[in-house]
Amino acid sequence: GENVEQHPSTLSVQEGDSAVIKCTYSDSASNYFPWYKQELGKRPQLIIDIRSNVGEKKDQRIAVTLNKTAKHFSLHITETQPEDSAVYFCAAPNTGGFKTIFGAGTRLFVKA
Amino acid sequence: DAGVTQSPTHLIKTRGQHVTLRCSPISGHKSVSWYQQVLGQGPQFIFQYYEKEERGRGNFPDRFSARQFPNYSSELNVNALLLGDSALYLCASSLEGWGTYEQYFGPGTRLTVT
Repeated sequence: GENVEQHPSTLSVQEGDSAVIKCTYSDSASNYFPWYKQELGKRPQLIIDIRSNVGEKKDQRIAVTLNKTAKHFSLHITETQPEDSAVYFCAAPNTGGFKTIFGAGTRLFVKA
Repeated sequence: DAGVTQSPTHLIKTRGQHVTLRCSPISGHKSVSWYQQVLGQGPQFIFQYYEKEERGRGNFPDRFSARQFPNYSSELNVNALLLGDSALYLCASSLEGWGTYEQYFGPGTRLTVT
C-alpha cells in the first residue's frame, strides 16, 4: 500500500546542534521526495527535495539523503537556529505520481 | 510573480450545509491538488487536477468533488458538511500533473463546521 512514515514526531535540540528527521516509504516506484516546513498558522513551504537519481542534496544548512534500496530518506539540519523551529513534513508520490502522500510531521524545537 | 491564492481565508458553516473553496495556481502552472489538514496532522491528499481532468483521488467520500477551469483555477466542493470536515484546506499548484514536480501551497482556507 501507499504509506510514508516519519520519525521522530517531536525533536528538541539546543541551538547550534544538528537535527535529523527520517522517513520511510512503501511505494518502490516513488521517485521524488520533497520536504516541507510549516510554521504555526502558515502554509507548508518547500525547503528541499531530492529525486531518485541522486543520493544526497545540500542547500546551505539543510541536506537530504536518499537510500532507495532501504526506501528511506532523511532531512539533516546543521547549526540549528531558533527560527528553524517548526513542523517538518516529508512526502512521496505514489506510482504514477498523481497522489502525494505526506508523513505525519516532526515538530522541531530549537532552544536558544 | 503572484503565488498560489485561495479564497475565502476563513469560513464557518453549519452541519449539512454545502461549501465551495477556490484556488488560483501560479501563472503557468497547469496542475492543482487539494489537501485536507487536520490540526496536528500532515496534509491528506483529496484530488489532483491536470489540464481540467481529475488525475488522482484520495480516500474521501463522494461528498467531496472538484473541478478545474480553462484558466487552471480550481474549486473544491463539499456537500452535507460534517463536524469532522473542520480543517485547513490547502491547494497546491505545480507545473505539470505528476508528482515529480515541485508543489507550491496556497495559504489555505480554514473551515469550521458547527
